[in-house]
Amino acid sequence: DGGITQSPKYLFRKEGQNVTLSCEQNLNHDAMYWYRQDPGQGLRLIYYSQIVNDFQKGDIAEGYSVSREKKESFPLTVTSAQKNPTAFYLCASSMGTRGNEQFFGPGTRLTVL
Amino acid sequence: AQTVTQSQPEMSVQEAETVTLSCTYDTSESDYYLFWYKQPPSRQMILVIRQEAYKQQNATENRFSVNFQKAAKSFSLKISDSQLGDAAMYFCAYQDSGGGADGLTFGKGTHLIIQP
Repeated sequence: DGGITQSPKYLFRKEGQNVTLSCEQNLNHDAMYWYRQDPGQGLRLIYYSQIVNDFQKGDIAEGYSVSREKKESFPLTVTSAQKNPTAFYLCASSMGTRGNEQFFGPGTRLTVL
Repeated sequence: AQTVTQSQPEMSVQEAETVTLSCTYDTSESDYYLFWYKQPPSRQMILVIRQEAYKQQNATENRFSVNFQKAAKSFSLKISDSQLGDAAMYFCAYQDSGGGADGLTFGKGTHLIIQP
């Protein structure tokens, strides 16, 4: 089955620690995205990547970093510089051009202790 | 920057009836895309319907249809014959047209409750 997987489903982090969220897709999509969702809020774009070895900052990139070494994978690192990292993180992918449906993974819930 | 506003934090409808969810957006672009996504309690985001701004015809997908009013910058979602499985958060989203990929700008969502 084609789809997007995110791991882990739940993640706990101590303050001051970096943590990496995994996102893998087997849809052969060129573009991948990371969004953050807070209670009572819509999704906000953190980073996106149009193609391997290329990525762009979204609206709330501060305190986050990404890499895109493989077409299938787009990991997100939440660094200690992110002041309020507790949130639900969603990864998505799409065909490379705008207007196409973005397919979402099941999400990772990150809690900072 | 574009903004998307959903003015109804919560809506309730009786099963089998019709409900309309509102969405307005702000943009200076003439060509763009609009989407409605559904997020059930599982939190899996699912595309409901999509509209291209340059198409005047309103998009329809089975029981779901939109009322796209470009001049008013309004994009409402109508759900006919509501079913229990329609209960979810519904998010309106906007995307500029143009080359290459880009993220979506989402509204804050409307929580839809279906009364049996």
